[in-house]
Amino acid sequence: GNSVTQMEGPVTLSEEAFLTINCTYTATGYPSLFWYVQYPGEGLQLLLKATKADDKGSNKGFEATYRKETTSFHLEKGSVQVSDSAVYFCALSVSNTGNQFYFGTGTSLTVIP
Amino acid sequence: GVTQSPTHLIKTRGQQVTLRCSSQSGHNTVSWYQQALGQGPQFIFQYYRKEENGRGNFPPRFSGLQFPNDSSELNVNALELDDSALYLCASSLGGGGLYNEQFFGPGTRLTVL
Repeated sequence: GNSVTQMEGPVTLSEEAFLTINCTYTATGYPSLFWYVQYPGEGLQLLLKATKADDKGSNKGFEATYRKETTSFHLEKGSVQVSDSAVYFCALSVSNTGNQFYFGTGTSLTVIP
Repeated sequence: GVTQSPTHLIKTRGQQVTLRCSSQSGHNTVSWYQQALGQGPQFIFQYYRKEENGRGNFPPRFSGLQFPNDSSELNVNALELDDSALYLCASSLGGGGLYNEQFFGPGTRLTVL
């Protein structure tokens, strides 16, 4: 089937630290991969996406590379800020399921000054 | 953007509930997700041009409607305690195509007592 496994949180980092949130997936077809972010009291916002192998999605200093050989899509940021504190969700969508998204359980990030 | 109402709702077991969503203007696809506490969103179903276009692993007592004015409803009959969750609506353009971004609302928090 289709599923996403994320690194469990919560994660607490100091400002300007390096961030990695691991994400691996299983898919019956050829998926597109996404990272969504959820700030407190808000809905999910698309952070970045990659639609084919070796693609790198990037936005707001965050990056993730679609690795088909390791079925992974790890999220990274070189220097986190307090404003990055949120819950991050890895997700996939496979063409044979229409636009159904499969989400991971989320990783809570807290950045302290 | 995408709006949802009400923000919070408390019901008792066995009752029925209707949640509402107003899609982003011009979007013809709406998806509904259930997000239990500490979990990622789970796909309930999707509507495209007022027809159901995919369904997740949810029983028939979860039903929906999509209206011409970009609004939609999620109806849940015979509420159970496990239905307590955050319900998210997401709209997109173009029949839920694989590469179309889904825009999420802030959600409705349903508590079943």
